[in-house]
Amino acid sequence: EDQVTQSPEALRLQEGESSSLNCSYTVSGLRGLFWYRQDPGKGPEFLFTLYSAGEEKEKERLKATLTKKESFLHITAPKPEDSATYLCAGGGSQGNLIFGKGTKLSVKP
Amino acid sequence: ETGVTQTPRHLVMGMTNKKSLKCEQHLGHNAMYWYKQSAKKPLELMFVYNFKEQTENNSVPSRFSPECPNSSHLFLHLHTLQPEDSALYLCASSLSTGNSNQPQHFGDGTRLSIL
Repeated sequence: EDQVTQSPEALRLQEGESSSLNCSYTVSGLRGLFWYRQDPGKGPEFLFTLYSAGEEKEKERLKATLTKKESFLHITAPKPEDSATYLCAGGGSQGNLIFGKGTKLSVKP
Repeated sequence: ETGVTQTPRHLVMGMTNKKSLKCEQHLGHNAMYWYKQSAKKPLELMFVYNFKEQTENNSVPSRFSPECPNSSHLFLHLHTLQPEDSALYLCASSLSTGNSNQPQHFGDGTRLSIL
């Protein structure tokens, strides 16, 4: 069965304290690994797509990486405005997305 | 603005009511999706439409009835819902459901509460 697992469930950081979020996946015929950001009361906002192991993508303080079994979202020197829930999803062979439960990130000033 | 608009943003209804959720996308996409988001659970895919044709029904109870009149509009008709159906209902769109998965873009959802 296709599955995506994110850890930790919640993460509290001080402003400027870098860290990483983990996304482990078992998705048959993976067609893309997607990262989203979701703010309270909003829908998920697309951040990155990674298609092959070794691929990396960056946007401001965020960098996503991909291996054959997991993906990491590295957050460098986070700011309070980076506080949100980060969702990871694996692209299935039917064009569907299999989502993890998310990591809730809180960055304190 | 995400390019995907959902209305209403909030909906409270009794178990015997009939209501509809609406989604409209302005991105020129051909695929549209309904998801259910409940607390502490991953997003659950409900329905997929590609070029107005339903391509997936993820074992959703018949009290949820989707309608896709064209590639820009998607509806979810609701009737005789149960309290466990209270959740955030999200609409998304993508270029298509073709061989290469493309990003899905989400609306801000309808928060549904069943009394």
